[in-house]
Amino acid sequence: GQNIDQPTEMTATEGAIVQINCTYQTSGFNGLFWYQQHAGEAPTFLSYNVLDGLEEKGRFSSFLSRSKGYSYLLLKELQMKDSASYLCAVRGGYQKVTFGTGTKLQVIP
Amino acid sequence: GAGVSQSPSNKVTEKGKDVELRCDPISGHTALYWYRQRLGQGLEFLIYFQGNSAPDKSGLPSDRFSAERTGESVSTLTIQRTQQEDSAVYLCASSLEFGYTFGSGTRLTVV
Repeated sequence: GQNIDQPTEMTATEGAIVQINCTYQTSGFNGLFWYQQHAGEAPTFLSYNVLDGLEEKGRFSSFLSRSKGYSYLLLKELQMKDSASYLCAVRGGYQKVTFGTGTKLQVIP
Repeated sequence: GAGVSQSPSNKVTEKGKDVELRCDPISGHTALYWYRQRLGQGLEFLIYFQGNSAPDKSGLPSDRFSAERTGESVSTLTIQRTQQEDSAVYLCASSLEFGYTFGSGTRLTVV
């Protein structure tokens, strides 16, 4: 089976940096995704990691360590509009994608 | 089409009735997923279709739930004899390789 853990809630200050961690245990591994979901909306794709290391995309970066079953999403220069849930998802064997329960990030002035 | 389309966007139904939810994936996308999201909770995997392979139905919560997909086109999720616990947003996503695109979901309310 697949088990994905991430913190339930986080609070950070506008302009700061926040790191959202995700640990996973899966049968097979074919990539890790991060999605952003604003309240009442569908999730939108942020990043995809399949090899170890850091992927940077503007203010957002995602890191993966396959040996540790660990990833993080790094958000820099936080803006109020970044307040949302951030979902970690793992594609395991047979291409099945399983989502974590999400981390609700609140950005405060 | 340009995106994943789901219909209806909202559905209110009486307990015990059957409902059918529809998903039109992005043209050419071979993979299609159904997820359920209860209020304030994460995404719960329901079922996964990949091309013409047998679907992965391991997430369907009971035999009241079923889904079909013809080839690489439209999929329907059917819930029979709905219960209040079925109230949730049902999300569909499709993908060609990676970077799954979600539809806007169907908000199902069972009264």
